[in-house]
Amino acid sequence: AQSVTQLDSQVPVFEEAPVELRCNYSSSVSVYLFWYVQYPNQGLQLLLKYLSGSTLVKGINGFEAEFNKSQTSFHLRKPSVHISDTAEYFCAVKGGSEKLVFGKGTKLTVNP
Amino acid sequence: GAVVSQHPSRVICKSGTSVKIECRSLDFQATTMFWYRQFPKQSLMLMATSNEGSKATYEQGVEKDKFLINHASLTLSTLTVTSAHPEDSSFYICSGTGDALGNTIYFGEGSWLTVV
Repeated sequence: AQSVTQLDSQVPVFEEAPVELRCNYSSSVSVYLFWYVQYPNQGLQLLLKYLSGSTLVKGINGFEAEFNKSQTSFHLRKPSVHISDTAEYFCAVKGGSEKLVFGKGTKLTVNP
Repeated sequence: GAVVSQHPSRVICKSGTSVKIECRSLDFQATTMFWYRQFPKQSLMLMATSNEGSKATYEQGVEKDKFLINHASLTLSTLTVTSAHPEDSSFYICSGTGDALGNTIYFGEGSWLTVV
């Protein structure tokens, strides 16, 4: 079985500052990793995913994440955030044909 | 990108009644659909997985007779909450995938259910 730990439940940051949202996973098999964003009262939107290949994955809205197998991490980063990035971010892991398992989420608040 | 549409986005129903939420894949064939429940400020909890034409597979602790899931076509899955109670009030989200490994998953916008 897979599990996901999002180390920070809330991350406040000022506009134009860099941000990193941390995600660690555990799995006994090879995994696929995902980051989703959820704006208030809305569904989930895929930011990026790692399936194979390059460990640095670029997604939408200027976000990127790096898969680190030795540290079992998949941290999400953005060099300069905007007010509009304020949302809940979910890291998710999937092992092969197993179901998608979500972390508890990190609420990113971008302050002016 | 592919779109999954949920309807209604908000619904209020009386205790004891049933309510149906629809999930449609608009531009792809969703061979597998998933239904999640999300409590305020919490993560998504998978309720069940449904494959088109088959009975849904429910997660442990989810009452299959209370949360009826139908996936009769490749573009439509429905969740019916039967004999609803106030504790069933929640945000319900569906998602769908059409690829064999299920690594490309599209989520609906979610449906708020309030049982009064």
